[in-house]
Amino acid sequence: GAGVSQSPSNKVTEKGKDVELRCDPISGHTALYWYRQSLGQGLEFLIYFQGNSAPDKSGLPSDRFSAERTGGSVSTLTIQRTQQEDSAVYLCASSLWVGREISYEQYFGPGTRLTVT
Amino acid sequence: GDSVTQMEGPVTLSEEAFLTINCTYTATGYPSLFWYVQYPGEGLQLLLKATKADDKGSNKGFEATYRKETTSFHLEKGSVQVSDSAVYFCALYAGNNRKLIWGLGTSLAVNP
Repeated sequence: GAGVSQSPSNKVTEKGKDVELRCDPISGHTALYWYRQSLGQGLEFLIYFQGNSAPDKSGLPSDRFSAERTGGSVSTLTIQRTQQEDSAVYLCASSLWVGREISYEQYFGPGTRLTVT
Repeated sequence: GDSVTQMEGPVTLSEEAFLTINCTYTATGYPSLFWYVQYPGEGLQLLLKATKADDKGSNKGFEATYRKETTSFHLEKGSVQVSDSAVYFCALYAGNNRKLIWGLGTSLAVNP
């Protein structure tokens, strides 16, 4: 079975441009998370999707960041008008529901390294 | 709020040395605790976990014991190998907000 995949693996963009990052979760995983990992920093939670529920957007750093999840599967993280401080590795993770609760084990993709010049 | 504090790196050891990476936490309730590992060029993966006090998680020669009295979950390995070189993250799951709370990560380099 395939793991979590992300594309592109690397993205270099000019300041002010918009970028889209894609995540394909493991089939059957209903929960999907986006994180940001900056050099020397831990994982910064960005957004969480679970099934058809409203996403938890509490970690998005500004209104330039948005994400959607189509059909309960693939997710796209969009960063508008990119800034140099957006340079980071963006990680996607998915997990299962177990019974009536979400499994705490998250499966991570390899990440997208974003560089804003 | 809930938080995780782990020792700063980088940690550099010789092969076969003993490893300890400290992790302490603050949480309401009874969290589950985890160590994740990120090998160079790879995605994060779960290394071990413990879901209640006094549980010991173990995998690949690594161990960590959930100590409620000291709110700690220190990672240990008796004899590290070069292949253990990676970044190690301590995390907790309190369940109330469906999110993992992460430490900043500790980089480990093992020299032959």
